[in-house]
Amino acid sequence: QKEVEQNSGPLSVPEGAIASLNCTYSDRGSQSFFWYRQYSGKSPELIMFIYSNGDKEDGRFTAQLNKASQYVSLLIRDSQPSDSATYLCAVNIGSSASKIIFGSGTRLSIRP
Amino acid sequence: DVKVTQSSRYLVKRTGEKVFLECVQDMDHENMFWYRQDPGLGLRLIYFSYDVKMKEKGDIPEGYSVPREKKERFSLILESASTNQTSMYLCASSLRVADTQYFGPGTRLTVL
Repeated sequence: QKEVEQNSGPLSVPEGAIASLNCTYSDRGSQSFFWYRQYSGKSPELIMFIYSNGDKEDGRFTAQLNKASQYVSLLIRDSQPSDSATYLCAVNIGSSASKIIFGSGTRLSIRP
Repeated sequence: DVKVTQSSRYLVKRTGEKVFLECVQDMDHENMFWYRQDPGLGLRLIYFSYDVKMKEKGDIPEGYSVPREKKERFSLILESASTNQTSMYLCASSLRVADTQYFGPGTRLTVL
């Protein structure tokens, strides 16, 4: 089992709809969770981080964390064509927050 | 804003050549990272450094060395480049190990 797993996609969502991206992780002791966006040919950039169970909202983005079920998700409301990108989930793995592991990413395509 | 710069955006080298990639960050971050990113394999950690002259191996350290003589500068050296080292190389920095990572623009290296 991979330490951080994401569906590679592509996930195709109509413009204006909600895009839902999911990520599961293996280390029950993980404390820090991140979502990065990566446009084609560019480097990853942070969208959100979340540390506590529940929801965290920032504009059109909501991160949801469920530590009991070991998943973290990212919802994008009112999806725009500019949201088309690969979304990387990153989780700290190991004791003392020793390292961050990235998932392989989900490719999201917003169709007009 | 954190700024992470990388010495080259594109490099073409021949098999057996020595290759230098340099990364500089301007935010006084303790931690710096080198990743490579390949289609279908996601981001893989080569090495990270948590202080000047201190480093730890990542998942794929073989064939690479990573001098860090100054806090702001983290280099990646391929002693003898091989075709299987053709990849996108990404440098990142963070204040703490399990903290948000800020990425440079990446270097696309082709080894012929």
